[in-house]
Amino acid sequence: GQQLNQSPQSMFIQEGEDVSMNCTSSSIFNTWLWYKQDPGEGPVLLIALYKAGELTSNGRLTAQFGITRKDSFLNISASIPSDVGIYFCAGIPQGGSEKLVFGKGTKLTVNP
Amino acid sequence: DAGITQSPRHKVTETGTPVTLRCHQTENHRYMYWYRQDPGHGLRLIHYSYGVKDTDKGEVSDGYSVSRSKTEDFLLTLESATSSQTSVYFCATRPSGTYEQYFGPGTRLTVT
Repeated sequence: GQQLNQSPQSMFIQEGEDVSMNCTSSSIFNTWLWYKQDPGEGPVLLIALYKAGELTSNGRLTAQFGITRKDSFLNISASIPSDVGIYFCAGIPQGGSEKLVFGKGTKLTVNP
Repeated sequence: DAGITQSPRHKVTETGTPVTLRCHQTENHRYMYWYRQDPGHGLRLIHYSYGVKDTDKGEVSDGYSVSRSKTEDFLLTLESATSSQTSVYFCATRPSGTYEQYFGPGTRLTVT
């Protein structure tokens, strides 16, 4: 089945730094979603993308739907300690069922 | 955020016993999902529902059954729990017309 490769697997940054992470696939996707999960809680939807090239922001977070439709990117600007968590990408593959395919996550640590 | 609750939030049970997890939503979303989350595997779909009494299998459905008698409730049953079913279980809901899924807080299940 389709797989999503997220990178990096983990990141250690200083407060105030910008963060970039991405999600790639060998297949075309029609929808990309980005989630954040805090320890002991469920994933929370951050951003949804529906069109190739689309750039969407949610506060300090910006996500892009790649032009090739095989990738998506999430950027966090001016990181703060509460940005700590695991960030997941998820997507709906073209021609597939309406079930989400998930990446395995990027674990972000922010040092104050 | 969708009003999604899961019960119980934590459970310890013995091998061979039946276990039922409950997901309750107040958003009137048509679609509901059960996932399990394990280190190294990410989120994997167990079963899903596309309406009252309409359910289907996901990628890891063996050993699990579900029921949905009302729009707001989706039950996951482990007929005879095994140690391999120790995991964190998440329920998610999705309204019609979008692919955005909203997750509950999770149930941590330990099978001894």
